[in-house]
Amino acid sequence: AQSVTQLDSQVPVFEEAPVELRCNYSSSVSVYLFWYVQYPNQGLQLLLKYLSGSTLVESINGFEAEFNKSQTSFHLRKPSVHISDTAEYFCAVLQGGKLIFGQGTELSVKP
Amino acid sequence: GAVVSQHPSWVICKSGTSVKIECRSLDFQATTMFWYRQFPKQSLMLMATSNEGSKATYEQGVEKDKFLINHASLTLSTLTVTSAHPEDSSFYICSARSRQGVIYGYTFGSGTRLTVV
Repeated sequence: AQSVTQLDSQVPVFEEAPVELRCNYSSSVSVYLFWYVQYPNQGLQLLLKYLSGSTLVESINGFEAEFNKSQTSFHLRKPSVHISDTAEYFCAVLQGGKLIFGQGTELSVKP
Repeated sequence: GAVVSQHPSWVICKSGTSVKIECRSLDFQATTMFWYRQFPKQSLMLMATSNEGSKATYEQGVEKDKFLINHASLTLSTLTVTSAHPEDSSFYICSARSRQGVIYGYTFGSGTRLTVV
């Protein structure tokens, strides 16, 4: 079975600093990987996804993630965060047509 | 883009009563819908998968008689929590997938906060 592990449950960072949210997956077959963001008391919004092709994927709000097969990782990065990026971030892998989520990382951006 | 409407956004009910949560795909046909449960500060736990016109498939440990799922059309799925108890209080989120599947991702509803008193 495939799974994802998010190594950090909480990541505090100051505004305009860079951030990396880590995600590792376990799979011996092709993977489809996703990052979702959840704001308080809301559903999940898709940030970006890796299906195939270029290993670097980008979102419209400055986030990017790189699929690294050798390290089985799909870390999420942003070079300069804003207060509005404060939220819960979930890494997910597709398994048998179902999304399986990591434990989540709470990103807290402080002024 | 794809939009999934979920309501109510929050509901308070008395112990022993039933609550129905609706999930609608507004601009696409959702061949498959997923229902998740999320406890505070925790990840999403998949409860069940439903395909239009067929019975839902429940994950291990989820009581199918307590959490009734209906997916009668390509745009509507419902989750009914029967004989609710305080331990059923949680955040429930639906997700829909179109025929194009993973290409367009999975679209989530905004969630329902259920509180059983």
